[in-house]
Order: sequence, then structure tokens, then C-alpha cells
Amino acid sequence: NAGVTQTPKFRVLKTGQSMTLLCAQDMNHEYMYWYRQDPGMGLRLIHYSVGEGTTAKGEVPDGYNVSRLKKQNFLLGLESAAPSQTSVYFCASSIGTGPSYEQYFGPGTRLTVT
Amino acid sequence: LAKTTQPISMDSYEGQEVNITCSHNNIATNDYITWYQQFPSQGPRFIIQGYKTKVTNEVASLFIPADRKSSTLSLPRVSLSDTAVYYCLVGDLNMFSGGYNKLIFGAGTRLAVHP
Repeated sequence: NAGVTQTPKFRVLKTGQSMTLLCAQDMNHEYMYWYRQDPGMGLRLIHYSVGEGTTAKGEVPDGYNVSRLKKQNFLLGLESAAPSQTSVYFCASSIGTGPSYEQYFGPGTRLTVT
Repeated sequence: LAKTTQPISMDSYEGQEVNITCSHNNIATNDYITWYQQFPSQGPRFIIQGYKTKVTNEVASLFIPADRKSSTLSLPRVSLSDTAVYYCLVGDLNMFSGGYNKLIFGAGTRLAVHP
């Protein structure tokens, strides 16, 4: 079991460029999430998905789009990168919602926008 | 949404017991208390969760008083590998029923364990 994996691990973009971050989980989880973490701060939820083919906005969705075409994959897209999107991005998944369901996190993608 | 307050940082030495207290004065009846641990350059990892009284697992204990306005994460006999950021989260983790409830990760408590 690989758990939650993220691709790529590091990326440097120039302002205005686009890219897609891939998250994959092999635990058959229904729920998947994308967070960003800025230096010295906690995680903030960007978008989430409650199942294949569904997505919803989180706390800080502006400038990002997501897709969940397959249950095991959750993609995060940046259409026109901005320096303010320099951050570490974490993907997570959980088997369900409710108090007993913990979130499993990937190792993160460190993105720098110059 | 219940806001949490926890110390920004703590220092300890190997072999000591560490207690990190989280304040959540506005906790709601349906809210659970969850703690996550994050090592440098890694994603957070679930440690423990509870509703009231005491919960213990192989990693830590969680003490919750009767009024539930605070909670204490207890790490027995810490080692250097326990150096991490610890997040206290409070909320009804049923995020998607009847509305959107955020899981709020604050800045956490940065624990440094020294030899």
C-alpha cells in the first residue's frame, strides 16, 4: 500500500504558467482534499471531493481548479500561476466523514512561483 | 466553529513526559477533538481523537475535562523523533452533511525535543 502519493515533489513556475498537481490514493477512499500550507502556518483547504465526478470549493479556492475523473485520483490545476501561490500543497483522503474518520496525507508538493 | 488556542512552541528533553494543552472555549456539543502531528517536509499524521474523558493509544493520551473547554495531549517519554508540530483541531468531522464545516488547522505547537 503506497497510501497517498503526490506528483511532482518540487516545481518552479514563472508567473502566468500553468501546471497540474496529481494526487493518487490506493485505499479506495471516497473523500479527497487539497490543502496549501504557507510557512509557519497551518493547512488551509482549497478544494475537496466527496466522490468520483464531484468537487467542491474549500476555504481558499480562488486561482485553482480540480477534477476527480477517477476515484483514486484528484488533480489540482493552476491555470495562471501567481507568486502568492508559492506554497506547499498537500493532498489527503479519507474513507468517509464523521468523527472517526481520519485523513491520510501525502508527502506534499513544494511549489515556487517566480 | 470552535477556535482553538495552543502554545506556539515548547521545549523538552528526551525521556520526559510532554503535555500540550489546547483551549477551545466555544466547543459545540457535536464537536470532537483531534490531534495531528507533522514532521518537517511531511504531511500531517493523525495521532488521537476523543470526545470526553480520557483516550489512550500506543502513541499518546488525550485528557478532556468534563466541561470540554480544553484538552491535553500527553506524550510519554519523548524522544528526539517526537520533534514536530502538533495541531489541535475541534469540529464536527461530518463535513459534508447539511453544510460545510471546515477542519481548521491553526499554527500548531512546535515541540522541540533536546538530547
